[in-house]
Amino acid sequence: LAKTTQPISMDSYEGQEVNITCSHNNIATNDYITWYQQFPSQGPRFIIQGYKTKVTNEVASLFIPADRKSSTLSLPRVSLSDTAVYYCLVGARTGGYNKLIFGAGTRLAVHP
Amino acid sequence: EPEVTQTPSHQVTQMGQEVILRCVPISNHLYFYWYRQILGQKVEFLVSFYNNEISEKSEIFDDQFSVERPDGSNFTLKIRSTKLEDSAMYFCASTTDRGQDEQFFGPGTRLTVL
Repeated sequence: LAKTTQPISMDSYEGQEVNITCSHNNIATNDYITWYQQFPSQGPRFIIQGYKTKVTNEVASLFIPADRKSSTLSLPRVSLSDTAVYYCLVGARTGGYNKLIFGAGTRLAVHP
Repeated sequence: EPEVTQTPSHQVTQMGQEVILRCVPISNHLYFYWYRQILGQKVEFLVSFYNNEISEKSEIFDDQFSVERPDGSNFTLKIRSTKLEDSAMYFCASTTDRGQDEQFFGPGTRLTVL
């Protein structure tokens, strides 16, 4: 499993775009990049997953450069309710029973 | 929208007692997991379960822990003799496909061991 590095914490204000970058220098060819969100006292929640280039859904966008050694989760126009911990996970999607390995994540605080 | 449910939401027990944490995964899911999160720490994998048997377990999941799917809907985690360090949030998760990273987590059970 590729090791990931992301900022411990970030601060933002309502209405701003937030970009959280994750480094994964040892990503393997068949690894995918997945982001989860966790609100206080709740279980993690899947946000988005990608392999390369750009993926967008109703919640976020995920940007992955060609070398795939990093990825950026982009949250457009955050609100107070986006205050949470965001986890970047890297691992193979195929084969094996996919346990999720969480790091410390990035604690995002959105201020009024 | 279907969701994973867990009961109880909070369990307080005395050290050495047995506890059973219950989960009802999403109905068409086939792969089940337990994770725990000690207060202020990261989410840790405990065990995965498929086709009525454990498929993988972590070092944390020692002989004090067991899992069971007693019927077609429930998935339980039993801790035989609780220790103070078992105090944590325990999350159940499920997914349809072992290759799919979108695991659906329950709201968790907060276990407090006194």
